[in-house]
Amino acid sequence: AQKITQTQPGMFVQEKEAVTLDCTYDTSDPSYGLFWYKQPSSGEMIFLIYQGSYDQQNATEGRYSLNFQKARKSANLVISASQLGDSAMYFCAMREGYRNKLVFGAGTILRVKS
Amino acid sequence: DGGITQSPKYLFRKEGQNVTLSCEQNLNHDAMYWYRQDPGQGLRLIYYSQIVNDFQKGDIAEGYSVSREKKESFPLTVTSAQKNPTAFYLCASRLGGVVLHTEAFFGQGTRLTVV
Repeated sequence: AQKITQTQPGMFVQEKEAVTLDCTYDTSDPSYGLFWYKQPSSGEMIFLIYQGSYDQQNATEGRYSLNFQKARKSANLVISASQLGDSAMYFCAMREGYRNKLVFGAGTILRVKS
Repeated sequence: DGGITQSPKYLFRKEGQNVTLSCEQNLNHDAMYWYRQDPGQGLRLIYYSQIVNDFQKGDIAEGYSVSREKKESFPLTVTSAQKNPTAFYLCASRLGGVVLHTEAFFGQGTRLTVV
């Protein structure tokens, strides 16, 4: 069964605007962690933000924030004030329970327009 | 500098040959991972290891093998049984254990082309 679903294959956003990238997940374990990564065209994987299932507040890191809706099992990434350098592939990932298995979604390609 | 190193960056092999991709980390991480990425696609988990001398199959383990004899090293062998091995392979490591919130660090990847 698909554990991580990213339903937006591609997104466009105007420079300086905010954009939301969707991620839904499936787990029956009460303890889990959710991660977002950015992959530019160079292929490197850049860690952006983390949200734990027991965290009371939504995670934020600079221009990145995570809209965590536990009941809906969604962990959407919000990028504020988009920049041209934000153009990349974005992946949502989940680690379930205390296992170290880490699985990724299919990704969303974001293109920032000037 | 601590980090995770994959070698080589590009690899060409003839069909039917086994090939081994190297992954070394000096971060003292317990958990290590291998992912496969096809053009425009997501990362699919091949194998992962939580500790030395232990590893588990991921979602697409058929045609691949791994070993974890040392904490620092987690080589991946792409065997001739893998029907479509041409892809971008990424290795990653995490602190692991009971530390839940730590992110995975990735190598620069190996682009394997089978001709």
